[in-house]
Amino acid sequence: EVQLLESGGDLVQPGGSLRLCCAASGFAFSSYAMNWVRQAPGKGLEWVSVISGNGGATFYADSVRGRFTISRDNSKNTLCLQMNTLSVEDTAFYYCATKPGGYHAAFDNWGQGTLVTVSS
Amino acid sequence: EIVMTQSPATLSVSPGERATLSCRASQSVGTNLAWYQQRPGQAPRLLIFSASTRATDIAARFSGSGSGTEFTLTINSLQSEDFAVYYCQHYNNWPYTFGQGTKLET
Repeated sequence: EVQLLESGGDLVQPGGSLRLCCAASGFAFSSYAMNWVRQAPGKGLEWVSVISGNGGATFYADSVRGRFTISRDNSKNTLCLQMNTLSVEDTAFYYCATKPGGYHAAFDNWGQGTLVTVSS
Repeated sequence: EIVMTQSPATLSVSPGERATLSCRASQSVGTNLAWYQQRPGQAPRLLIFSASTRATDIAARFSGSGSGTEFTLTINSLQSEDFAVYYCQHYNNWPYTFGQGTKLET
């Protein structure tokens, strides 16, 4: 059974930093690209970032490029998102999601999410 | 960036009826289109990919159609557990983008 467990969500002040991680199990982690998708409370879904199975390729949404860094450790089946210079607009639930690697595809498994609140 | 537009924003239907949800892309995405269901307090769940292929363990009452820029999600014989928010997403190129969602309510 595929399991994705996000952690690291917290209350942080504007301008601060936070590191989210997603622990994966139940599938061949290195064969999947991994994504972060966020959802502001009561709002829709916004794709944030993706990293390829071997970690060699990354893409970011314009809204986070230059502030967020996605990374993965295939030896530990872990995905992370380093978030810097946070603003109130970054307040959201952050989900990790799998995408079959090597080609464009839908997100077939999702974690339960972790809440990031940016507020003074 | 491709803009995905869903309609209607809210759809009121009764259990047992059929619901038809629409999704439009600002440019062609071929059949690189997915539908997700999100129940209150839960993570999204993949329902349909490649515009018309049901994901694993998805009930046959869910069906998708369309290509290019116009897509439809149809839910037959609505069950109580189907009342949720539905999102379309293209995955033709990065950035993948989502529609704003359609809330299915009784």
